[in-house]
Amino acid sequence: EAQVTQNPRYLITVTGKKLTVTCSQNMNHEYMSWYRQDPGLGLRQIYYSMNVEVTDKGDVPEGYKVSRKEKRNFPLILESPSPNQTSLYFCASSLSEGRGEKLFFGSGTQLSVL
Amino acid sequence: KQEVTQIPAALSVPEGENLVLNCSFTDSAIYNLQWFRQDPGKGLTSLLLIQSSQREQTSGRLNASLDKSSGRSTLYIAASQPGDSATYLCAVRGRSYGQNFVFGPGTRLSVLP
Repeated sequence: EAQVTQNPRYLITVTGKKLTVTCSQNMNHEYMSWYRQDPGLGLRQIYYSMNVEVTDKGDVPEGYKVSRKEKRNFPLILESPSPNQTSLYFCASSLSEGRGEKLFFGSGTQLSVL
Repeated sequence: KQEVTQIPAALSVPEGENLVLNCSFTDSAIYNLQWFRQDPGKGLTSLLLIQSSQREQTSGRLNASLDKSSGRSTLYIAASQPGDSATYLCAVRGRSYGQNFVFGPGTRLSVLP
């Protein structure tokens, strides 16, 4: 089944403890992206990647890192999480640069930073 | 900067009604517009994608239209069902703002049995 898989689904951590949220897609998509969703603020893009080894900042990249060493994986790294990073996170992918392609989303990761 | 708005913010209708959700965007230089459905605590599911050169797309009871020059799109849902209850978001893929998708805040739909 074609899908975008995120792990974990739920995560509770403490301030300053490094964490990684994994994202994997099995559709051979070139474009991948991370979003966070907050009440009243909607979906905001954190980082995106056009292809392997090509990443760029979205609207809210501060406090996050990403890497794209393989086409299928696009992990989101929080080196020193803070409470304002408590949010619902989504990974998404599309076939090419995404100009004409549908965007497919993972099921989300609910992160709480205490 | 591209801004996307959706009206209404919330909508409650009895089962069987036809309804229209609205999406507006400020910059008409877009590649495409997508409508998504989001169930509580879940990811987004793509419903319809309209390319900038297209006027509408249909899938089952859903019909989406695009008027790029006026910066508007509508999602028409025919014969609504309780299972249609969800939040509906539109997103535009702009030409002027790198590769970002810009999302609207969504319309929360409740279809009452």
